[in-house]
Amino acid sequence: QVTLVQSGADVKKPGASVEVSCKASGYVFSRYYIYWLRQVPGQGLEWMGTINPGGGDTNYAQKFQGRFTMTRDMPTATVYMELSSLRFEDTAMYYCARVLGDYYGMDAWGQGTTVIVSS
Amino acid sequence: DIQMTQSPPSLSASVGDRVTITCRASQNINTHLNWYQQKPGKAPKLLIYAASTLQSGVPSRFSGSGSQTDFTLTITSLQPDDFAIYCCQQSYTSPWTFGQGTRVEI
Repeated sequence: QVTLVQSGADVKKPGASVEVSCKASGYVFSRYYIYWLRQVPGQGLEWMGTINPGGGDTNYAQKFQGRFTMTRDMPTATVYMELSSLRFEDTAMYYCARVLGDYYGMDAWGQGTTVIVSS
Repeated sequence: DIQMTQSPPSLSASVGDRVTITCRASQNINTHLNWYQQKPGKAPKLLIYAASTLQSGVPSRFSGSGSQTDFTLTITSLQPDDFAIYCCQQSYTSPWTFGQGTRVEI
């Protein structure tokens, strides 16, 4: 079955960077885009960026430009995201999700990774 | 950015009720509208895509309708497992944006 498995929770200090991984299995990795999203407790979902594992091209939300990077490793079917210059307000649950294309919605999600920014 | 506005923010309903949630886009998004269900501590689950297409495995009591700027998610005969938060998402243009969610409570 299709699964996206994310790395575990992390606690970081302000100004640090965090990396979260998302390992895909059960489908052809290169055929689906991977979205990264986050959700602050009690708030709605926020799209951060998209990576096309097949070509490696990326699309970043303007809000995160310059401090958010997505990469992929084809042999392990894993996508990585790194958020740098962390602030207290980056404390959130981070999700990866796969999308076939604009008309199809996010049909599989990772379990989520809690990132806490605390001094 | 396209703003997605859902109503109501929350509603109370009983098992067996018919529930309707609306989502309005700040501009025409054709039928690039998806609906998700989210339960506490869990990742969202895709229910409907392209405004009205039921995702595989989702019960037929869920349905979606609408186009351009106004969309509706309907749950006929609410079941105990349906008490959750529902949100819409536009996939018309980046940045992809979400509604703030509608909490369906007992």
